[in-house]
Amino acid sequence: DTEVTQTPKHLVMGMTNKKSLKCEQHMGHRAMYWYKQKAKKPPELMFVYSYEKLSINESVPSRFSPECPNSSLLNLHLHALQPEDSALYLCASSQGPAAGGLNEQFFGPGTRLTVL
Amino acid sequence: TQLLEQSPQFLSIQEGENLTVYCNSSSVFSSLQWYRQEPGEGPVLLVTVVTGGEVKKLKRLTFQFGDARKDSSLHITAAQPGDTGLYLCAGYTDRGSTLGRLYFGRGTQLTVWP
Repeated sequence: DTEVTQTPKHLVMGMTNKKSLKCEQHMGHRAMYWYKQKAKKPPELMFVYSYEKLSINESVPSRFSPECPNSSLLNLHLHALQPEDSALYLCASSQGPAAGGLNEQFFGPGTRLTVL
Repeated sequence: TQLLEQSPQFLSIQEGENLTVYCNSSSVFSSLQWYRQEPGEGPVLLVTVVTGGEVKKLKRLTFQFGDARKDSSLHITAAQPGDTGLYLCAGYTDRGSTLGRLYFGRGTQLTVWP
């Protein structure tokens, strides 16, 4: 099973709302990632969790708050977003660099976020 | 800094034509991954190349990794409308501060017309 699931599929929120994006994988992967993607552009890395600890934060604004409750779950908490934050938010997972090997990343289907 | 230069950015061709997409870098990668993405969906991993000079085939798609592991190409033979999508190359390096990170090219938007 190489599936990464994300919920919700679509999300519309106002600038004062608080919402959360959820990601789940059951491949035993120990690294999980959040990416932001604008139309027809490559994904931009936001956060990396390795063994449930935040290992990379790409200077993302504090209105985005990641959380990794366990090795299978990854959340992204959203608060006071701006319209320019509207994008496709992708979650990915991999074995993790410490495991050696290819560390291939498998992506979920994404959450299409619209901020009004 | 764009570590991976991907070209062309846009490609619009007729069904049955052949095409090649290139990814070039001055950096050495441990591996290079190719993804295909359809609108509103996540990227789907097509192949990973690891060894310099490696060639992998996936039906009508042929992937090659350069001898020095700095560049890669994707060749599609007899393109079909179902090949339409955004093709992304991504280089992986496991050195130091770049731990666990993929470096994406800008992507190639391919449209194949019937």
